[in-house]
Amino acid sequence: ETGVTQSPTHLIKTRGQQVTLRCSSQSGHNTVSWYQQALGQGPQFIFQYYREEENGRGNFPPRFSGLQFPNYSSELNVNALELDDSALYLCASSFGPLVTKTGELFFGEGSRLTVL
Amino acid sequence: KNQVEQSPQSLIILEGKNCTLQCNYTVSPFSNLRWYKQDTGRGPVSLTIMTFSENTKSNGRYTATLDADTKQSSLHITASQLSDSASYICVVSAARLTGGGNKLTFGTGTQLKVEL
Repeated sequence: ETGVTQSPTHLIKTRGQQVTLRCSSQSGHNTVSWYQQALGQGPQFIFQYYREEENGRGNFPPRFSGLQFPNYSSELNVNALELDDSALYLCASSFGPLVTKTGELFFGEGSRLTVL
Repeated sequence: KNQVEQSPQSLIILEGKNCTLQCNYTVSPFSNLRWYKQDTGRGPVSLTIMTFSENTKSNGRYTATLDADTKQSSLHITASQLSDSASYICVVSAARLTGGGNKLTFGTGTQLKVEL
């Protein structure tokens, strides 16, 4: 167990809808990163939150947005869902943004999103 | 462009046998390299983290090697067990002197299946 929890574990949406995914970071961790993992692919970086502010973003459109709360938990919001958004969404927590350090990055079990 | 390539894409071995997975990267400037194990539908779990100065690191039956000159890493699994069946993902971190964000580049993974 990594201490990183995600909810919901599975959900099904239709095109055009909006979804909110949630992540509770490991105790003592102040940084949360979100990844999208399509079937058979490696995780793709969406964005990172460090001390409640966005601290870097991957190549994802603005309809992917997020929040980090004072307790360092985080949300990923996706608007106007498209079929290609179907994927496993992984949340990872760390102490610090892992710029050059070798700190551990702990992943949650993911939220499996299916868009019909 | 930072890239991480893994080979083979998939591998089937008999229980008790050894195997070696490969990772080649073009990430620059290099900071550290991580190997993760990801069971189907689960979040990745860290196996090893290596910096530029480390050539070998072990974690039980898993031994990772790093050649920073040739930008290659390998993960050797000894005396494989059925529970080793999973995807093994190589992740390379680029150092950033300014700005923020998570500069981890993920490979697409090697799918290992251990059979009786």
